[in-house]
Amino acid sequence: QVQLVESGGGVVQPGGSLRLSCAASGFILSSHGMHWVRQAPGKGLEWVAFIRYDGTIKNYAESVKGRFTISRDNSKNTVSLQMNSLRVEDTAVYYCAKDRGASGSYMDVWGKGTTVTVFS
Amino acid sequence: QSALTQPRSVSGSPGQSVTISCTGTSSDVGGYNYVSWYQQYPGKAPKLMIYDVTKRPSGVPDRFSGSKSGNTASLTISGLRAEDEADYYCYSYVGRYTWVFGGGTKLAVL
Repeated sequence: QVQLVESGGGVVQPGGSLRLSCAASGFILSSHGMHWVRQAPGKGLEWVAFIRYDGTIKNYAESVKGRFTISRDNSKNTVSLQMNSLRVEDTAVYYCAKDRGASGSYMDVWGKGTTVTVFS
Repeated sequence: QSALTQPRSVSGSPGQSVTISCTGTSSDVGGYNYVSWYQQYPGKAPKLMIYDVTKRPSGVPDRFSGSKSGNTASLTISGLRAEDEADYYCYSYVGRYTWVFGGGTKLAVL
């Protein structure tokens, strides 16, 4: 079945870095755009980043632009989110989500999330 | 990009209907027919309930329906059931490979 499994979360100090990974299975990753979405404790969902099916187009929420980088390796069925210069306000559950289409439409499958805590 | 505006909470009794609104601008909700809705239980990942304003994925009960008028999209749940109690989020394309969520609505089934 279609499945997304996130990993790489943890506790980091402000200014530090983390790299999240999303392992995809049960579908052809190279045919779909992919997103990262986060949810701070007790807060709503926030769209974070998108990468097109072939990796040629990437975009980010203003809150993370210049600090986070989304990438993908279709040969390894993985999508990653490199997070640098982390801030306390980046503390959240980070979800990887599959887009229904190749170039971005809506998210039809979500992972269970991985928790990032930025704490001094 | 500012979050879309949703009521913080709505409530209804079993069997009743409730509608959750999602207000944006002509640059997001009003500009594209790319509004979707997600249901989320505490501690769980969101689940797609409606896409492209009015379409329902297979497996989602037909009690859930979506619509849009101008810059406001709506999710209507008819025949409320206890298991519908959850948080609901709208989501819209904003253009240039950018998307935005609504602030979320907590539905209570009394």
